Amino acid sequence: NAGVMQNPRHLVRRRGQEARLRCSPMKGHSHVYWYRQLPEEGLKFMVYLQKENIIDESGMPKERFSAEFPKEGPSILRIQQVVRGDSAAYFCASSRSTGAPYNEQFFGPGTRLTVL
Amino acid sequence: SQKIEQNSEALNIQEGKTATLTCNYTNYSPAYLQWYRQDPGRGPVFLLLIRENEKEKRKERLKVTFDTTLKQSLFHITASQPADSATYLCALESDSNYQLIWGAGTKLIIKP
Repeated sequence: NAGVMQNPRHLVRRRGQEARLRCSPMKGHSHVYWYRQLPEEGLKFMVYLQKENIIDESGMPKERFSAEFPKEGPSILRIQQVVRGDSAAYFCASSRSTGAPYNEQFFGPGTRLTVL
Repeated sequence: SQKIEQNSEALNIQEGKTATLTCNYTNYSPAYLQWYRQDPGRGPVFLLLIRENEKEKRKERLKVTFDTTLKQSLFHITASQPADSATYLCALESDSNYQLIWGAGTKLIIKP
């Protein structure tokens, strides 16, 4: 059973370009979470999605950031017009449900975004 | 709002000793608390979950305690090994149940 897959592992963009980060959850998992992590800092929740639905996007900036989890295919985190402050590691996690087993989350290897 | 505090300073422990990491929270007591391990350049990996009605949970060389009076969880690694060196994160449920709130993690270094 493959784990959570993320690609690309490293992404370099110039200011003003778009960044697209992809996440394929574990087989059988229908819940996807996106986090952002800066060096020496904890994980910051961005958005929680189920198939075709955004459940909670309270941690995501209102502008330039969007996320989707279509019926078919991976979840996408999209950052438009990137700025240097967007440079970070972005982690995706998946879980079977929020009920049991108490929201244990399985993480992907992350995408390290560098904005030049 | 709920805040989690983990010791930001690295913890240096001699191989074979017990390492103890602390996670304090400030507000409501969550129904459960989780501990994860994160290695450099990798995503966190789930280790243990402890529920509010459990005082202690064990898994091999790992032990977690949960004191809702002190608003604190302790994470112990007995007979520590250099391979245990990593950053350890605690996380607890938010009141929305959609998200986990994460501590910044404590870096553990086990010296041979």
